[in-house]
Amino acid sequence: GQNIDQPTEMTATEGAIVQINCTYQTSGFNGLFWYQQHAGEAPTFLSYNVLDGLEEKGRFSSFLSRSKGYSYLLLKELQMKDSASYLCAVRAEWLYNNNDMRFGAGTRLTVKP
Amino acid sequence: DAGVTQSPTHLIKTRGQHVTLRCSPISGHKSVSWYQQVLGQGPQFIFQYYEKEERGRGNFPDRFSARQFPNYSSELNVNALLLGDSALYLCASSQTGVSNQPQHFGDGTRLSIL
Repeated sequence: GQNIDQPTEMTATEGAIVQINCTYQTSGFNGLFWYQQHAGEAPTFLSYNVLDGLEEKGRFSSFLSRSKGYSYLLLKELQMKDSASYLCAVRAEWLYNNNDMRFGAGTRLTVKP
Repeated sequence: DAGVTQSPTHLIKTRGQHVTLRCSPISGHKSVSWYQQVLGQGPQFIFQYYEKEERGRGNFPDRFSARQFPNYSSELNVNALLLGDSALYLCASSQTGVSNQPQHFGDGTRLSIL
């Protein structure tokens, strides 16, 4: 995705903690979303951040720093079913388009026993 | 309650043909967005519609068009298909399309161009 960067692949062990980073460049920032996408399936909504700080939702947490153009998704107590692609998406006043949402290329997470 | 539904699930076309993809949003959702997802990439924004009006357009050629109907369902049309149009086309709906509302995705239509 344009101006949204996240690592291509990550590997972690079942039961561990993993942090997936996302950096973005934009003006007119209106929010950042994290989605999970299993192979061959639709993306499913995980979290939303618009203010700086940490949002916690069960095993998943998401952090945002607007001044740094940076977010991370933290997954705790990893389970095998967490193996999926994690998509960072930013809603902003992108050039030519008002308030649409743009996605990063996704981070493919593999959880190993 | 039913989620976002898309039809067809799979489609095979040849170069130069035209295709129409359909989407029904979650009941009560008035905003529909279309995305193209190529294997190994994130979804790329194509269009957003709200209350039957186009609210946003991505960087796609004029061969791509869409519309939203009074019942908030939507169609994506692609003319003069090219091999590069082969992708998963995702539809997503939200209540009003404002910034803090997450979009809920359908399972997509997988389009293959031969």
